[in-house]
Amino acid sequence: GEQVEQRPPHLSVREGDSAIIICTYTDSATAYFSWYKQEAGAGLQLLMSVLSNVDRKEEQGLTVLLNKKDKRLSLNLTAAHPGDSAVYFCAVTLNMGYKLTFGTGTSLLVDP
Amino acid sequence: EAAVTQSPRNKVAVTGGKVTLSCNQTNNHNNMYWYRQDTGHGLRLIHYSYGAGSTEKGDIPDGYKASRPSQENFSLILELATPSQTSVYFCASGDRDSPSAETLYFGSGTRLTVL
Repeated sequence: GEQVEQRPPHLSVREGDSAIIICTYTDSATAYFSWYKQEAGAGLQLLMSVLSNVDRKEEQGLTVLLNKKDKRLSLNLTAAHPGDSAVYFCAVTLNMGYKLTFGTGTSLLVDP
Repeated sequence: EAAVTQSPRNKVAVTGGKVTLSCNQTNNHNNMYWYRQDTGHGLRLIHYSYGAGSTEKGDIPDGYKASRPSQENFSLILELATPSQTSVYFCASGDRDSPSAETLYFGSGTRLTVL
């Protein structure tokens, strides 16, 4: 089945710096890509999602890049602030699939 | 706004005991899911459901049962709890825009400790 690797597991940046999280997946039939954010003591919330026909999407200081050739998905938080401190998960779904496969998570700490 | 409520928030159980984790959603979503979250593993799918009366095995179903008596409620049942089932459990409901594009709405989690 689909395998998703996420790195780094921990990331510490200073306020105003960018933070980049990368996921790689194995199945070329993967069709839907999402990033979720988990704040302390809470469930996951969707940040952004893209279909496989989208290479780049930007929203509110977040950039998602999809490289289908390398089977790599990335999330770039530009100008991170302390409120971005959380655990981030990528999640992928196969074409005509119905189950999300999650990455192992990245714990991001943004120092003021 | 989407709302998924889990109960209890925390649970301590003894080995061999029966544990039931409950989940209620007010989103009127057909799909519901149970995940467990463990360090180094991310979220792993235990059971899911397409609607009332249906349950399906996820990736790690052994030792767990699920029940979906209604559109709103989805329970996870540990008939004989073991210490390896100590974890944080999340319920989610799914809003499917297309066959592959689904947004999940998560509850706040249940922290289960099996002694």
